Amino acid sequence: GAVVSQHPSWVICKSGTSVKIECRSLDFQATTMFWYRQFPKQSLMLMATSNEGSKATYEQGVEKDKFLINHASLTLSTLTVTSAHPEDSSFYICNSVGGGYGYTFGSGTRLTVV
Amino acid sequence: DAKTTQPPSMDCAEGRAANLPCNHSTISGNEYVYWYRQIHSQGPQYIIHGLKNNETNEMASLIITEDRKSSTLILPHATLRDTAVYYCIVRVKAGGTSYGKLTFGQGTILTVHP
Repeated sequence: GAVVSQHPSWVICKSGTSVKIECRSLDFQATTMFWYRQFPKQSLMLMATSNEGSKATYEQGVEKDKFLINHASLTLSTLTVTSAHPEDSSFYICNSVGGGYGYTFGSGTRLTVV
Repeated sequence: DAKTTQPPSMDCAEGRAANLPCNHSTISGNEYVYWYRQIHSQGPQYIIHGLKNNETNEMASLIITEDRKSSTLILPHATLRDTAVYYCIVRVKAGGTSYGKLTFGQGTILTVHP
């Protein structure tokens, strides 16, 4: 089946620094990537949708200048949390679509900002 | 996509069947019922989906009522590893160019105990 490799699985960073999260589709081409975040004991909330080669579409309330999404190739999409603050601490999950495999989720990244 | 309602939590004894209900009274004729689960600190895992007929795979069975306003996910012999949050999602079937976002509700926390 399809596999999406998400890295890092966890990261701790200082307030004010930037963190990049990568999602790679290992054996298929991901034409669309959805990025979610999940706060403790809450459900997944969609942040943005990106299609390869196009600008991402952000959900209402999500700052596009803070959460930079790059989907320049069919096998790699990145989410960069810029100038991270403690309130950005969350579980970030990518969900890719493509290759006839339907939805394939990454394993998630636990971000802690101190 | 139609809204779903699930109980917030359920318990099940190991080895017994776990029956997880989902109400989707506003489901449209072309919408499918999808089930995912999320084990703590991991990405969601696809379980099963169906339109109107009952479905079964190696993981679970899906029973959809005749009026399609509710469904039940059945784990026939629950194990401790089935402890997770289970999400019922209703949407138009993904395929071709139709791969819109998955909207997650609060889900049901299933706890399987010895």
